[in-house]
Amino acid sequence: EIVLTQSPGTLSLSPGERATLSCRASQSVSSSYLAWYQQKPGQAPRLLIYGASSRATGIPDRFSGSGSGTDFTLTISRLEPEDFAVYYCQQYGSSVTFGPGTKVDIK
Amino acid sequence: EVQLVESGGGLVKPGGSLRLSCAASGFTFSSYSMNWVRQAPGKGLEWVSSISSSSSYIYYADSVKGRFTISRDNAKNSLYLQMNSLRAEDTAVYYCARKLIYFDYWGQGTLVTVSS
Repeated sequence: EIVLTQSPGTLSLSPGERATLSCRASQSVSSSYLAWYQQKPGQAPRLLIYGASSRATGIPDRFSGSGSGTDFTLTISRLEPEDFAVYYCQQYGSSVTFGPGTKVDIK
Repeated sequence: EVQLVESGGGLVKPGGSLRLSCAASGFTFSSYSMNWVRQAPGKGLEWVSSISSSSSYIYYADSVKGRFTISRDNAKNSLYLQMNSLRAEDTAVYYCARKLIYFDYWGQGTLVTVSS
């Protein structure tokens, strides 16, 4: 099973700042089958990024994904108030596993 | 508009059973693999089970294998999860999710509480 590790656990930032979230896999993730989801309290997860770097439909371009192999990054270029949430990475190349999440909260 | 609506959650005693349903609309249900994902209170996401479009391929997380059964009825645009021998650690919100390689649409979830 591929284990995903996310860092940091919590990221405290102000609106307008840049957020950089990391996701590391225990083994190489095939064909960049890596996705990122956003979840707000009481809501279902929402797909942000798939294939490591492709934005899902309707996702603002301030969200970007990068990386390959075992190291992936989600970047939010300028945080908007609605971006404060928990972010999960997921690999779907070998079965399906999720990372433990990174909470982005207001500083 | 794609919609996934879960139902069937509730309070059940340890060792009991529950059947969850997910009603799909707004897309050709029979063309997509579907999944169940759960989230324990205050915890992260855990994939539970997957079923291919024609039910030919079915997979389970080790934590539920032998206790849970996923199924679907393409004529009724519905996905199911039969949960037997429930344990306290199965307490979670259960989401159904459409799979297009990644999970592009999710329902709002149904809460399952296993407690005596």
